[in-house]
Amino acid sequence: QQQVKQSPQSLIVQKGGIPIINCAYENTAFDYFPWYQQFPGKGPALLIAIRPDVSEKKEGRFTISFNKSAKQFSLHIMDSQPGDSATYFCAASSFSGGYNKLIFGAGTRLAVHP
Amino acid sequence: EAQVTQNPRYLITVTGKKLTVTCSQNMNHEYMSWYRQDPGLGLRQIYYSMNVEVTDKGDVPEGYKVSRKEKRNFPLILESPSPNQTSLYFCASSFQGDNGYTFGSGTRLTVV
Repeated sequence: QQQVKQSPQSLIVQKGGIPIINCAYENTAFDYFPWYQQFPGKGPALLIAIRPDVSEKKEGRFTISFNKSAKQFSLHIMDSQPGDSATYFCAASSFSGGYNKLIFGAGTRLAVHP
Repeated sequence: EAQVTQNPRYLITVTGKKLTVTCSQNMNHEYMSWYRQDPGLGLRQIYYSMNVEVTDKGDVPEGYKVSRKEKRNFPLILESPSPNQTSLYFCASSFQGDNGYTFGSGTRLTVV
């Protein structure tokens, strides 16, 4: 059972476009929603994160939009660049058993063409 | 440099031959965890450790063992590897109760 559903599986955009990656969750106990960026041959690295008490968070060209009632959140990349080509994972976290357990989505492979 | 170091980066082995993937972190993190990454499935937690000598199963623990004898090290042990354990493995660490995970660079394991 996939607790965090991510779409699309892959995405191709032209340089300057605005790719959007969507995630949906079921567990209302989740209280932290990070996005991780992974380049080939590297481990995932935290990109941006949001808590459910806000509807939007921006960091540079990256924006998370959060809809608590719909249990959905999305990542927008403004003015995308070829260097943004990577795999993106959404995740959701809840504090359980003494630590913050991260549940990951399946990932989206983004290609930004020059 | 603060980091999580995994070794080896690549490993090809045969079915049934015991192997160990090492993980070490230099950030004095209490919490460490192992994940496997498979296409279309994202990252799934194998085992985790809250501190020295404290370990517990994640979501896909079958066929794996771990130990945490020192705070900095958290090796992943495959006693009798099978082809369905062919995957990309990541070790991660964080401070206790912290949401920020630091991941290693991964170990690509192939079991033939």
